[in-house]
Amino acid sequence: GNSVTQMEGPVTLSEEAFLTINCTYTATGYPSLFWYVQYPGEGLQLLLKATKADDKGSNKGFEATYRKETTSFHLEKGSVQVSDSAVYFCALSDQWGSQGNLIFGKGTKLSVKP
Amino acid sequence: DTEVTQTPKHLVMGMTNKKSLKCEQHMGHRAMYWYKQKAKKPPELMFVYSYEKLSINESVPSRFSPECPNSSLLNLHLHALQPEDSALYLCASSQDGSGQETQYFGPGTRLLVL
Repeated sequence: GNSVTQMEGPVTLSEEAFLTINCTYTATGYPSLFWYVQYPGEGLQLLLKATKADDKGSNKGFEATYRKETTSFHLEKGSVQVSDSAVYFCALSDQWGSQGNLIFGKGTKLSVKP
Repeated sequence: DTEVTQTPKHLVMGMTNKKSLKCEQHMGHRAMYWYKQKAKKPPELMFVYSYEKLSINESVPSRFSPECPNSSLLNLHLHALQPEDSALYLCASSQDGSGQETQYFGPGTRLLVL
C-alpha cells in the first residue's frame, strides 16, 4: 500500500541554519507529493507541491524536488527563521487511490532558536 | 482565494450535549472532508463528501454525523461524545475528490469533551 516516511523529530536549529527534512514514499502509481505546515494552534497550510517526476515545488524559501528514482521529496530551506517553527507533514495523493486518499507522514517538528 | 473557514474555533461540551461544527468554502470545490487530529499526530480521515454525497466513512462512530447541505457547506453533528473524542477537527476541500488533488484545509475546531 501507499505510505510516507518522514525523518523523526524534533529538529532544533539556530536562525539562518540550513534545513533538510527527509521524506520518502511508497506508491503504486504516480502520486502527487505535498508538504503541509502546521503552526502552533493552527490548521494545515499547503506549503508546496509537485505533481510529476523532477518537478520542483517552492514557496516562502522552501523547496522540494520530486525524485522518482529515489522515491523522495525532501524539504529544504537555505536559511531558517524563528517564524518557521512548526510541524511539517509530507503527504502523497495517488491517482489509483480512493477519494480522500491523502496519505500523511508522521510529521516533523521544527524549532528554530534565535 | 484558497480559504476554508471553520466555526467555532474552540468548543467545550459535556458528554450529553449536542453540538455542530461548521465548515465553508467558496472555491467551487465539489469534494469536502472531515479529519480528526490528535496531539502530535497527523490528521486521520473521517468522512468524504463528493458532489454533496457521502462517499467515504472511515468506520467513524455514529455519535459523529456529517451533513453536506450544499456544495459550499459541510457540518459535523456531535452527540454523546466521549472524552477521547477531544481533538482538533479539520475540514478540507478539493476540486472533485479524484486522485492527485490538492486538499485545502481550514484552521480547525479544537474540541474538548468533559
